[in-house]
Amino acid sequence: QVQLVQSGAEEKKPGASVRLSCKTSGYTFTANYLHWVRQAPGQGLEWVGMIFPRDGSTTYPQKFQDRVTMTRDTSTSTVYMELSSLRSEDTAIYYCARDAEGFDVWGQGTMVTVSS
Amino acid sequence: EIVLTQSPATLSLSPGERAILSCRTSQSVSTELAWYQQKPGQAPRLLIYDASNRATGIPARFSGSGSGTDFTLTISSLEPEDFAVYYCHQRFNWPPLTFGGGTKAEIK
Repeated sequence: QVQLVQSGAEEKKPGASVRLSCKTSGYTFTANYLHWVRQAPGQGLEWVGMIFPRDGSTTYPQKFQDRVTMTRDTSTSTVYMELSSLRSEDTAIYYCARDAEGFDVWGQGTMVTVSS
Repeated sequence: EIVLTQSPATLSLSPGERAILSCRTSQSVSTELAWYQQKPGQAPRLLIYDASNRATGIPARFSGSGSGTDFTLTISSLEPEDFAVYYCHQRFNWPPLTFGGGTKAEIK
């Protein structure tokens, strides 16, 4: 079955960077866009950006344009998201999600805590 | 950026009752709207895509309707496991992809 398995929780200081991973299995890795969505504690969902694993092309919202980088490794069917210049407002659960007529499969989420 | 407004913020109902959740978009999104359910401590789950198509494995009591700027998610008869937060999401005009603020369905 299709699975997205994300890396473990992270604690970072303000100004640092964090790199999260999302390992996929059970489908053709290059066939679907993969998105990152975050959720601050007690808040709603916010789109962080997307990557097309076939060619590595990315699209980011303007809000994160200068701080986020998404990459992929086709040999391991894994996508990565790096967020730099972290601030307390970046504290959230970060989810990866496969795009197939909606975000049909989600990872379990990675908690990122930014605190001094 | 397309803004999605969900109402009500909270819906207090009893099991067996009908739930009607609304999502209004700031400009037309055609039918490129999805609904997700999220329970505490879990990732969101896709319920409806393209406004009215049930995702794989979603029970028939969930239905979606609407086009343009006004959309509805209906749960025909609430089961205990349906009490959760529901989000709408547009994928018509992006970036950015945007989500509504959510409707919490709670047990009355």
